[in-house]
Amino acid sequence: DSGVTQTPKHLITATGQRVTLRCSPRSGDLSVYWYQQSLDQGLQFLIQYYNGEERAKGNILERFSAQQFPDLHSELNLSSLELGDSALYFCASSVAGQGETQYFGPGTRLLVL
Amino acid sequence: AQSVTQLDSHVSVSEGTPVLLRCNYSSSYSPSLFWYVQHPNKGLQLLLKYTSAATLVKGINGFEAEFKKSETSFHLTKPSAHMSDAAEYFCVVSYSSTTAGSGTYKYIFGTGTRLKVLA
Repeated sequence: DSGVTQTPKHLITATGQRVTLRCSPRSGDLSVYWYQQSLDQGLQFLIQYYNGEERAKGNILERFSAQQFPDLHSELNLSSLELGDSALYFCASSVAGQGETQYFGPGTRLLVL
Repeated sequence: AQSVTQLDSHVSVSEGTPVLLRCNYSSSYSPSLFWYVQHPNKGLQLLLKYTSAATLVKGINGFEAEFKKSETSFHLTKPSAHMSDAAEYFCVVSYSSTTAGSGTYKYIFGTGTRLKVLA
């Protein structure tokens, strides 16, 4: 158990809908990362937050957005969902986002029908 | 440009034989290097990391990796494979990105190597 929690574990929704994925980092970690893992694209970095502020952006679509709240939990919002958004979404956390170890949550499996 | 290449997408070994998963990196900076393991339908778990201390790094479950700067490699090894080692393994390089602003670090993941262990 990494100490990173993600909810929900599974999510099934329809095209065009909007969903919110939630992540709670390890106690004491200030940095949160979001990743998308799919069969065709592999593991893709989406976005990083540090202490409430966006720190780095990866291959995140404009339909996706994220935020980190004062209590350091983070949410990833996916809107206008398409079939191709079906994937495993991971959250990871690290102490300070200074290149140190990231600890991964168990993931949220999203299925868009 | 920084990059990481896992040279084999699939590796099959027999139980009890050695494991070698290869990783090469390219980095203009002094990188930190990691190996993560992902079992089916699970999150990624840290196996070991290199952060410019000893070049031979020991990790969990009997895995180790050697940082070779001259070869820009960070191969993962284990003397004797166990059935429970069957999983996907990711090599990761982390470095400070001065172009993206101070204090910004980037993580680059390899494409993964799927290890199959035969009975």
